[in-house]
Amino acid sequence: DAGVIQSPRHEVTEMGQEVTLRCKPISGHDYLFWYRQTMMRGLELLIYFNNNVPIDDSGMPEDRFSAKMPNASFSTLKIQPSEPRDSAVYFCASSLGPGTQYEQYFGPGTRLTVT
Amino acid sequence: AQRVTQPEKLLSVFKGAPVELKCNYSYSGSPELFWYVQYSRQRLQLLLRHISRESIKGFTADLNKGETSFHLKKPFAQEEDSAMYYCALSGADNAGNMLTFGGGTRLMVKP
Repeated sequence: DAGVIQSPRHEVTEMGQEVTLRCKPISGHDYLFWYRQTMMRGLELLIYFNNNVPIDDSGMPEDRFSAKMPNASFSTLKIQPSEPRDSAVYFCASSLGPGTQYEQYFGPGTRLTVT
Repeated sequence: AQRVTQPEKLLSVFKGAPVELKCNYSYSGSPELFWYVQYSRQRLQLLLRHISRESIKGFTADLNKGETSFHLKKPFAQEEDSAMYYCALSGADNAGNMLTFGGGTRLMVKP
């Protein structure tokens, strides 16, 4: 298994543009997590899904952010419109089951730069 | 609410020296604590969890509920230990599904 796959690896866009980040979890993993990493705030959980259903989105910063999981093998995180302060590394992670006995496996991240 | 604090953003030590990466947490219930590590150009990965009471790559961490700490220690640092280290907490109030991470500490081991 190639692990969690994220695309693109790097994204540079102008302020106001729509940005879509993509994630393919490890096959068979029922939980999917989106994190954002910044120098100021470290690694923050944005939202997580269980069996394609969003369970907790309390970490989503604003209405400009939205996430979907249309099927078990694909999720998107969309920012519309993007702003310079959204520049960060966005990680996707998946796990086999609930709770802490199941390790979260992280993707390589997408480095987003909004100019 | 749960919070994880890593007071040092950067820790620099010489090879062979002991290293301690500090982690303090705030949580009213019974937490589970973890250390994650990200080596250069690699993915963030689990290093160890307190519940396992194990030593991984020479690292250990003891949960001290009295001091609400979970410091990561290694008696003799190696250059390959240079990486970004994150302490993380999971609480029972979210069924253990959500991890709260600290801000991270970059460890640099100099030759």
